[in-house]
This record gives sequence, C-alpha cells and structure tokens, in this order.
Amino acid sequence: GDSVTQMEGPVTLSEEAFLTINCTYTATGYPSLFWYVQYPGEGLQLLLKATKADDKGSNKGFEATYRKETTSFHLEKGSVQVSDSAVYFCALSDRMNTGFQKLVFGTGTRLLVSP
Amino acid sequence: EAGVAQSPRYKIIEKRQSVAFWCNPISGHATLYWYQQILGQGPKLLIQFQNNGVVDDSQLPKDRFSAERLKGVDSTLKIQPAKLEDSAVYLCASSVLGGTAFFGQGTRLTVV
Repeated sequence: GDSVTQMEGPVTLSEEAFLTINCTYTATGYPSLFWYVQYPGEGLQLLLKATKADDKGSNKGFEATYRKETTSFHLEKGSVQVSDSAVYFCALSDRMNTGFQKLVFGTGTRLLVSP
Repeated sequence: EAGVAQSPRYKIIEKRQSVAFWCNPISGHATLYWYQQILGQGPKLLIQFQNNGVVDDSQLPKDRFSAERLKGVDSTLKIQPAKLEDSAVYLCASSVLGGTAFFGQGTRLTVV
C-alpha cells in the first residue's frame, strides 16, 4: 500500500541555518505530495504541495520538488527562524480503487531552532 | 472563510466510558476525514466520508468506534467503551472532491 517515510527527528538547528528534511514515498499511482506543519497545540496546516513530477511547491521560504525518479519530496529552507520550530509532516494523496483520494502521512519530523 | 470546527478541544475520561467528538467542515466541502494522532506519530486515517457515505473505514476499530455524517455536513465520532490506548488527538479535516484537505485544531483525548 501507499506509504511515506520521513527522517527521524528532532532536527536541531541554529537560527539562519539551512534546513533539509528528507521524505520518500511509495505509491501505486501518481500521487500529489504535501508538506503539513503542526505548531505546538495546533492542528495541521498545509505548508506546500506539488501535484505532478518536477513540480516545485513553495511557501514562506520553504520549498520542495516532486522527484518521481527518486520518489522523494524533500523539504528545504535556506535560513530558518526560531518561529519555524514545529513538527513537519510529509503526506501523499493517491486515488483509491473506489476512485476517491486517500491522504497518507509520514510520522513527522520535529524541528527545533535555537537563537 | 471559516475553517474546520471541532469540539471539545480537550476531554478526559475513565477507561470503559464513552465519548463523542463533533466536527463541522468548511462549507461546501463534501469530503470529511477523521484521523487519530497518537503522541509522536503521524495521523492515521480512521474514516473518510463523501457527503454522507463512507468511502474508507478500513482502519476504524469498529467494535468500539463509530462515526456518522447523517446530513452530509457535520459529523460525530464516538468511542464506546474507551481504552487507555485510545488516548490521542482526534483530527477532523475536509476538502472538496479531490482537493487539498484542511484540518481543524483537533480534540485531545486522555483516557485514565
């Protein structure tokens, strides 16, 4: 079945450091890919998405490129801020046999940014 | 535009008691999801509705969990009886058909 694998955390960085959070996926079809972010005490918020191979999603300085050849969707940011501290979830949406979309999440990666 | 509304935000119950969670999706969103997020894990889909019909409930523990969306708008998820391992955050999300899912703030359930 469909699955998403993320690097384990926590990832600990100093402010202004470069961020990479790895994400790879397994899917039977041609999924859409997402990064969601969860700040402490809050629900999941969509950070960015890509719907087809070679698409780049971007938002708030974060970006990720849909790489079909390596089945990856790594999240990057050039200069992190303390306010970026949160848990980041990689997810895919794939079409089920019923014809409806199914949204599958990875286990999440906690990012801690210190001043 | 109003987001996905969930209530209550927090609930503490004793094991073997029952509990219910409520979700009101974004207006016009036909697809509604309930996810269970255990501490330190990613969200796991419990049930997915399209309007008032179930399209996926393969991971719903049907001996104790039930969910309904009678009028195709808001939804209720119930646990009866609760077990200690049901302690988690229960997330509701909604989307248009085939669209991006938007999540509510969740209900944190503690079973003691």
